[in-house]
Amino acid sequence: AAGVIQSPRHLIKEKRETATLKCYPIPRHDTVYWYQQGPGQDPQFLISFYEKMQSDKGSIPDRFSAQQFSDYHSELNMSSLELGDSALYFCASSASGAGPLNYGYTFGSGTRLTVV
Amino acid sequence: QKEVEQDPGPLSVPEGAIVSLNCTYSNSAFQYFMWYRQYSRKGPELLMYTYSSGNKEDGRFTAQVDKSSKYISLFIRDSQPSDSATYLCAMTSNSGNTPLVFGKGTRLSVIA
Repeated sequence: AAGVIQSPRHLIKEKRETATLKCYPIPRHDTVYWYQQGPGQDPQFLISFYEKMQSDKGSIPDRFSAQQFSDYHSELNMSSLELGDSALYFCASSASGAGPLNYGYTFGSGTRLTVV
Repeated sequence: QKEVEQDPGPLSVPEGAIVSLNCTYSNSAFQYFMWYRQYSRKGPELLMYTYSSGNKEDGRFTAQVDKSSKYISLFIRDSQPSDSATYLCAMTSNSGNTPLVFGKGTRLSVIA
């Protein structure tokens, strides 16, 4: 079965550079969530989109922005990168009304961003 | 204080042992409770979920929720080396498409 696809798997950037992470949800999933997981930390919710509109916002820095496109894939844009942005960035997707209870909330394998 | 507290471990047990993993939380609005398993370099994988208080069993795994104590547990019976992973508890107040609040995760090693 198709899973949530994230690209790239690994990314190394220098301070003050920009980065774009991509997430391709499971087919027919219309909701995308972004999480940031620092080393030894729990995943922290950043932002989510439903039907191409932002639905919830968490601890996303102002330097980051995201959007969901007409094909439901999402991109997380990160500017003025800082060393502290080094983390694993996960995307998850779900179908309308599915939520975590219906096993519809599926995570991708993540993008590991290293800022040097 | 974090909304969800979880001992990060590491926890090391011999094969066949019963493992107990726990989380406490402070937000009384949480009603939906989940356990995720995360292998190294992989995304979290949903193991079990429960709604409100009670127990739920699935094979070697049992999830328990005690809302009065704001305490949830995951028990793994007859643990196997393949169970070695980080286990994250997660919870939310709403069953819709809402973000989850995670614990830090407990790193478990099952030694053969």
